[in-house]
Amino acid sequence: SQKIEQNSEALNIQEGKTATLTCNYTNYSPAYLQWYRQDPGRGPVFLLLIRENEKEKRKERLKVTFDTTLKQSLFHITASQPADSATYLCAPYSSASKIIFGSGTRLSIRP
Amino acid sequence: EPEVTQTPSHQVTQMGQEVILRCVPISNHLYFYWYRQILGQKVEFLVSFYNNEISEKSEIFDDQFSVERPDGSNFTLKIRSTKLEDSAMYFCASSEGGAQYFGAGTRLSVL
Repeated sequence: SQKIEQNSEALNIQEGKTATLTCNYTNYSPAYLQWYRQDPGRGPVFLLLIRENEKEKRKERLKVTFDTTLKQSLFHITASQPADSATYLCAPYSSASKIIFGSGTRLSIRP
Repeated sequence: EPEVTQTPSHQVTQMGQEVILRCVPISNHLYFYWYRQILGQKVEFLVSFYNNEISEKSEIFDDQFSVERPDGSNFTLKIRSTKLEDSAMYFCASSEGGAQYFGAGTRLSVL
């Protein structure tokens, strides 16, 4: 069955450093991959979408890579700030009818 | 900026009662979803709806659940006979086929 793994249940980073979060998937070949941010008690918020034919995508301090050979996506936040503290979810998918989320990585940025 | 709205924000019910959770998706979106999140756990896919019918549903979405789009704006999730384990945050989302936009959620408490 399809499986999505986001390693490091929690990640603690010093402010100003680059945070790197990993999303691995198995038993399927998604055409797209999305990353979301979720704050406690709130709904997920869309951040970035990357297609299988795109190796890398950037938005401000965020960068996402998508390696279909390794079946992995990396999510980077550069110059991290305490306000970046949240849980980050990845969602690799092929059909818009079924978008499944990973369990998330809780990121804490300490001042 | 358009947003997905969900009502009520908190619903308390007795076990065995029926509940209806309501959502108003973003008006020009084509796909509608329900997810649930049990406290401390991951966001779980329940069902997607496209072209006035269910597109996909998960194993969680059994005969106790149903969805409806009764008019051009509302999208509802009905749980026929609630169980204690249905207590969770329920999120509605909509999309044009890519990025999903989530509502603030309805916290369902089954006593």
